[in-house]
Amino acid sequence: GIQVEQSPPDLILQEGANSTLRCNFSDSVNNLQWFHQNPWGQLINLFYIPSGTKQNGRLSATTVATERYSLLYISSSQTTDSGVYFCAPSGSARQLTFGSGTQLTVLP
Amino acid sequence: DAGVIQSPRHEVTEMGQEVTLRCKPISGHDYLFWYRQTMMRGLELLIYFNNNVPIDDSGMPEDRFSAKMPNASFSTLKIQPSEPRDSAVYFCASSLGAKNGYTFGSGTRLTVV
Repeated sequence: GIQVEQSPPDLILQEGANSTLRCNFSDSVNNLQWFHQNPWGQLINLFYIPSGTKQNGRLSATTVATERYSLLYISSSQTTDSGVYFCAPSGSARQLTFGSGTQLTVLP
Repeated sequence: DAGVIQSPRHEVTEMGQEVTLRCKPISGHDYLFWYRQTMMRGLELLIYFNNNVPIDDSGMPEDRFSAKMPNASFSTLKIQPSEPRDSAVYFCASSLGAKNGYTFGSGTRLTVV
């Protein structure tokens, strides 16, 4: 199956800072999603982005499918952004494969 | 829309007991997925359905696990008999089509003692 590598594994930021999270995947994809798991364990879908760029408020994502990577940008981070960010692509199989995540901590 | 609804939120059971987890997907969604999350293995797919039909159950760990989707608005994941290594958070998710965003439920935290 598709292999997913996320970096960095851990990230600590001061409130207001910007950050970039990276996701590398091993195969061509027809689906890629970014999720945020908050400290209470809820998984929230941030983006469906198999290719191109999307923006939602302070968050944006870019997937370059031909080079097999995706980036999640967080600008002006807030403490509520803390949690784990997962990248989840799918290749020929329908189901998503989750990376191991980036643990983000935003300090006040 | 109430989102994907899972029950119970927490379940503590003794080894050897039967456990049934329940999921109500978003109305109109035709895909339903069961995932399990543990510290050691992260989020892993157990099984998924399309239009109530199981499509891929290769992630089901062993015969003790079974899943059903009797209709478009309800699915169950059953573990019989349960073992301590089954302790995890079990998530259900649904989507409209395979190439759209997934919506996850709040999960069921299962503890087998």
